[in-house]
Amino acid sequence: AQSVTQPDARVTVSEGASLQLRCKYSSSVTPYLFWYVQYPRQGLQLLLKYYSGDPVVQGVNGFEAEFSKSNSSFHLRKASVHWSDSAVYFCAVSMATGGNNKLTFGQGTVLSVIP
Amino acid sequence: GGIITQTPKFLIGQEGQKLTLKCQQNFNHDTMYWYRQDSGKGLRLIYYSITENDLQKGDLSEGYDASREKKSSFSLTVTSAQKNEMAVFLCASSIAGGARTLYFGSGTRLTVL
Repeated sequence: AQSVTQPDARVTVSEGASLQLRCKYSSSVTPYLFWYVQYPRQGLQLLLKYYSGDPVVQGVNGFEAEFSKSNSSFHLRKASVHWSDSAVYFCAVSMATGGNNKLTFGQGTVLSVIP
Repeated sequence: GGIITQTPKFLIGQEGQKLTLKCQQNFNHDTMYWYRQDSGKGLRLIYYSITENDLQKGDLSEGYDASREKKSSFSLTVTSAQKNEMAVFLCASSIAGGARTLYFGSGTRLTVL
């Protein structure tokens, strides 16, 4: 079975500051890893995903994430946040076996950016 | 690009009532999903469907039925609404196969009186 933990339910940062949102996963094999973002009253949108190769993956709007097999982590980073980054961020994992594509989501981290 | 349309956006029902949520996608995706979103609990998979007329149970299927009569549509029925089911229900779709990007609708917010 796979699981995802986002240890920080809420994070508040000032505009222009750097950001790290944490994600830890549990899996018997190296999974596929995702970060999704949910803006108010909208569905989720993909920020980035990791399959293999370079452990640092680039996403949209200046976000990046780093995969660490030794730490079972996939933390999301941004060098300088903008007020429009305020949203809920979800880390997700998929085993990608067989023909299905079941994602297991973390509980989400609410990001508030103070102007 | 495509879009996922969920109807209704807001659904209010009485306890014990049977309620149906609908989802349409024009991506021509094979796989569709229903997730339930509760505050502070992330998303939990209710049902998914790999192709037309296929149904697979997720982790939270008890108390729900689903239907996939067409490739483009996927319905979810709450068989007997309970007050503790007040949540946002999200529909998503993807290409078949592993690790594909999911595309989400904006959700149906269910309130049970």
